[in-house]
Amino acid sequence: AQSVTQLGSHVSVSEGALVLLRCNYSSSVPPYLFWYVQYPNQGLQLLLKYTTGATLVKGINGFEAEFKKSETSFHLTKPSAHMSDAAEYFCAVSKEAGSYQLTFGKGTKLSVIP
Amino acid sequence: GAGVSQSPSNKVTEKGKDVELRCDPISGHTALYWYRQSLGQGLEFLIYFQGNSAPDKSGLPSDRFSAERTGGSVSTLTIQRTQQEDSAVYLCASSLAGTSGSLDEQFFGPGTRLTVL
Repeated sequence: AQSVTQLGSHVSVSEGALVLLRCNYSSSVPPYLFWYVQYPNQGLQLLLKYTTGATLVKGINGFEAEFKKSETSFHLTKPSAHMSDAAEYFCAVSKEAGSYQLTFGKGTKLSVIP
Repeated sequence: GAGVSQSPSNKVTEKGKDVELRCDPISGHTALYWYRQSLGQGLEFLIYFQGNSAPDKSGLPSDRFSAERTGGSVSTLTIQRTQQEDSAVYLCASSLAGTSGSLDEQFFGPGTRLTVL
């Protein structure tokens, strides 16, 4: 069975500081991994995804994530936080390779302090 | 273009009543998904429709939950005899395709916040 663990339900960073949101997964098959962002009262928006190939994935809004198989991690980073980055972030893994069914983590709420 | 829309945005109901939640997917998207987002929890997969194929209902939590998709477009999620634990945000998503081996991006609607008193 797939599972996703997001360390820290709430993370606060200062504007301009590094953003690091942690995601670890368990999977019996090579995973497809995703990060979604949810702004207040809005649906989820795909930030980036890893399927195959390069392990460093770049997404929208300056975010990137690195797939580390040995650590079963897919942490999300951004070099410099902006006030507009304040939102909730969800890591997800596909149920099986290529499957439409996603298993989501519980989410990490990011606050950006001016 | 128009994104995924859901209605109502908020629904308050009394325990025991039935509710219907509606999802209008992006035009041309053949795959449609329903998820439930409970407070402090991640998204929980409920049901998936792909074209004319039989839906994957493996995520529905009980037989009080059902969903249909008419004409391959609009979908309705019905919860019968609502319970307080059904209170959550119900999210709908659609994608161009969802068959195994194809991971088309799922586009999410804003959700319906259901409160069962």
